[in-house]
Amino acid sequence: DAEITQSPRHKITETGRQVTLACHQTWNHNNMFWYRQDLGHGLRLIHYSYGVQDTNKGEVSDGYSVSRSNTEDLPLTLESAASSQTSVYFCASRGSGGEQYFGPGTRLTVT
Amino acid sequence: GENVEQHPSTLSVQEGDSAVIKCTYSDSASNYFPWYKQELGKGPQLIIDIRSNVGEKKDQRIAVTLNKTAKHFSLHITETQPEDSAVYFCAASERDDKIIFGKGTRLHILP
Repeated sequence: DAEITQSPRHKITETGRQVTLACHQTWNHNNMFWYRQDLGHGLRLIHYSYGVQDTNKGEVSDGYSVSRSNTEDLPLTLESAASSQTSVYFCASRGSGGEQYFGPGTRLTVT
Repeated sequence: GENVEQHPSTLSVQEGDSAVIKCTYSDSASNYFPWYKQELGKGPQLIIDIRSNVGEKKDQRIAVTLNKTAKHFSLHITETQPEDSAVYFCAASERDDKIIFGKGTRLHILP
């Protein structure tokens, strides 16, 4: 069965370090998204991609970057981790029919 | 850009009663309205969606209604059960564009 996976599931890092969160989908979807979830804010869009070599900024993109070198993967990089980036991160992919599927999430703690 | 408002933020209903969650959206071009259920420690799961060419859709105990003129859509859960306790998110998007989420409703089913 097709699926979307994220790794690691939990990560603790120190302020200032670079961190990369992985997202891999086997749906063969062109559209992929990264969200962060914080209490009181729901799901906020960080970056998204509509295909290989395409990346776009979402509403909370500062301090984050993504790259899309193939259809299956959209890694999210925190250039210099800050305590404000402590959150739960969800990756999602969406097919042409409109249905969007989420990964299980990565809980990131920046100390 | 699109803005989705969701109410209430918390809802408690007696087991067996009905629950209603309401959302409004701002972009008249939006034509796809999914609903997600998120259980503790998991990613959001798509439970039902509706497109702008229909006014209502049902799937067993769950129904969604859409009023495009008023830019309102609602989730109705009948005969609620303990396993319905979760956080529910409404969302809106153009068909192949990014999905914008409401802030969520925490539903408690009381015994």
